[in-house]
Amino acid sequence: QDQLVQSGAELREPGASVKVSCKASRFYLTDYDITWVRQAPGQGLEWMGWLNGHNTYTHYVRKFQGRVTMTTDTTTGTAYLELRGLRSDDTATYYCAKGNIVDWYFDLWGRGTLVTVSS
Amino acid sequence: QSALTQPPSASGSPGQSVTISCTGTSSDVGGYHYVSWYQQHPGNAPKVIIYEVSKRPLGVPDRFSGSKFGKTASLTVSGLQAEDEADYYCTSYAGGNNLVFGGGTKLTVL
Repeated sequence: QDQLVQSGAELREPGASVKVSCKASRFYLTDYDITWVRQAPGQGLEWMGWLNGHNTYTHYVRKFQGRVTMTTDTTTGTAYLELRGLRSDDTATYYCAKGNIVDWYFDLWGRGTLVTVSS
Repeated sequence: QSALTQPPSASGSPGQSVTISCTGTSSDVGGYHYVSWYQQHPGNAPKVIIYEVSKRPLGVPDRFSGSKFGKTASLTVSGLQAEDEADYYCTSYAGGNNLVFGGGTKLTVL
């Protein structure tokens, strides 16, 4: 069945960067749009932005502009989320999810990648 | 954009119905037909259970239903089952290629 396979947990020091990957399995990433959502421990879901599978358009939540880059590698069917200038409050599980942005919902989610920011 | 407002908790006994509200503004819930609901069990990724206010994806039981009136959307779970105990989040398109989430509601099956 279709899956989004995310990379493993990461530990970073404050000020560092992290790049999380999300690989499409059994479908073409270019046929869909990808969103990134994060969840701090014990907290709710926070939307970070989205990009199209062709890597020609991105939209970032204002809060993350300047610190985040979302990309896709269309040859490998992999989406990436890079977050720079990490702070302790960036500690969270980061989820990728696919959908069609015209409908504004996401029907397949990765299992999440825990990013811990600590010195 | 501000988060959509959901009650932090809701509860019901097995077999009962429970409704969770999601209140926004005329710039999000009240302005578009793109309200979705996600169910999240502890330790798992979210799963869409309602999209475009009231549509159910294949495989989602018809015990789950969605509606909207004005700036408030609602998720109703009928015939509560133990497996429905989870966190529920609403989302809405908010214009300008933006999406906004609700703060989440923890549903407890008594």
